[in-house]
Amino acid sequence: DTAVSQTPKYLVTQMGNDKSIKCEQNLGHDTMYWYKQDSKKFLKIMFSYNNKELIINETVPNRFSPKSPDKAHLNLHINSLELGDSAVYFCASSQPGLGQDTQYFGPGTRLTVL
Amino acid sequence: SQQGEEDPQALSIQEGENATMNCSYKTSINNLQWYRQNSGRGLVHLILIRSNEREKHSGRLRVTLDTSKKSSSLLITASRAADTASYFCATDAQAGTALIFGKGTTLSVSS
Repeated sequence: DTAVSQTPKYLVTQMGNDKSIKCEQNLGHDTMYWYKQDSKKFLKIMFSYNNKELIINETVPNRFSPKSPDKAHLNLHINSLELGDSAVYFCASSQPGLGQDTQYFGPGTRLTVL
Repeated sequence: SQQGEEDPQALSIQEGENATMNCSYKTSINNLQWYRQNSGRGLVHLILIRSNEREKHSGRLRVTLDTSKKSSSLLITASRAADTASYFCATDAQAGTALIFGKGTTLSVSS
């Protein structure tokens, strides 16, 4: 009954490869997010989707492409992986309005690019 | 650009003592939230305080918000070894927008 789940939890890959991280939430939320946490624990927003539509797209290389097949899923596809992409990626969801502004985070996916 | 700054960056205390962490931010906010992250784990939501609130309690947690100073504090009373973690404040400009996180305070509680 996990609220926000991500797969895989760990991802180790070579430079130049393409990989995907999946996120699913069973909270019925309309809004989903991807955040990146670097080696210094700094968390920064990458993307935000509301009802499958892109709302926020921060300055992220276009090698990163989010895909939202339905409002319960927000997947992150990364092309041509680089060393600097190594980080922990967190998915989150929220239901804005009606006092429900809390964002709920998944357990994270630790990506290591060799 | 980064919004929040936590202070101190690291805090070491003994079990039973109180821990106070501060957070400052730069622009107007809708809410301010505090999260905990245990080493190698995800973010756990602790408490949310709205811009029109000044103080909020949840168990051993007490959060204050001073919008005139653009600052917040998190007090953990009677700390336990299990409170050892990193604590982040996060703000949003309006509901449904991305959270902007501070750099976090690393709290170590020794028994």
